[in-house]
Amino acid sequence: KAGVTQTPRYLIKTRGQQVTLSCSPISGHRSVSWYQQTPGQGLQFLFEYFSETQRNKGNFPGRFSGRQFSNSRSEMNVSTLELGDSALYLCASRDGGPGVEQYFGPGTRLTVT
Amino acid sequence: AQSVTQPDIHITVSEGASLELRCNYSYGATPYLFWYVQSPGQGLQLLLKYFSGDTLVQGIKGFEAEFKRSQSSFNLRKPSVHWSDAAEYFCAVGVNNDMRFGAGTRLTVKP
Repeated sequence: KAGVTQTPRYLIKTRGQQVTLSCSPISGHRSVSWYQQTPGQGLQFLFEYFSETQRNKGNFPGRFSGRQFSNSRSEMNVSTLELGDSALYLCASRDGGPGVEQYFGPGTRLTVT
Repeated sequence: AQSVTQPDIHITVSEGASLELRCNYSYGATPYLFWYVQSPGQGLQLLLKYFSGDTLVQGIKGFEAEFKRSQSSFNLRKPSVHWSDAAEYFCAVGVNNDMRFGAGTRLTVKP
């Protein structure tokens, strides 16, 4: 099976703009989670989608949003970008609940200038 | 508060030496426990996981981890480190449909 893919891999945006990142999970996986990774804050959970519904949400402002499509592909959107949003955004998929391992994509490196 | 703690931010070991990376968690019940490794520019790869049963679990790349309920710990070990093990290691717990990660331990391997 193909692994988790994320597009684009690198992105440079300007403060105030918005950005959309895409994640294609492993075939058959219905759960997709998003994480933000920064040197200062480490890996922080953004949200999880399961069968097109947000199942869980981390502690991020409303500028961060996501959705999942019927084919389990997911997108996350960040509006009104701030410098502090510069990070590696990781997507992970799994085919079960909290006891099932997550498979991570390579991430999208977002730089906000 | 619920948390995952990796006390060591950075560890340096010589190639061939043994390794132990520490992880402590603070949750009401025994959570699902994982160790992941991240090489530069890459996503995370699962090394091993613990749900129940035998408290010593074997993983890939020669790693093992021991769950100690009394200490709320899940330490990662490897008897002999290889230069290719240089990476960042994350302990994680799975609780209520999400996964919480520790801050990570960066491993440097000296020749």
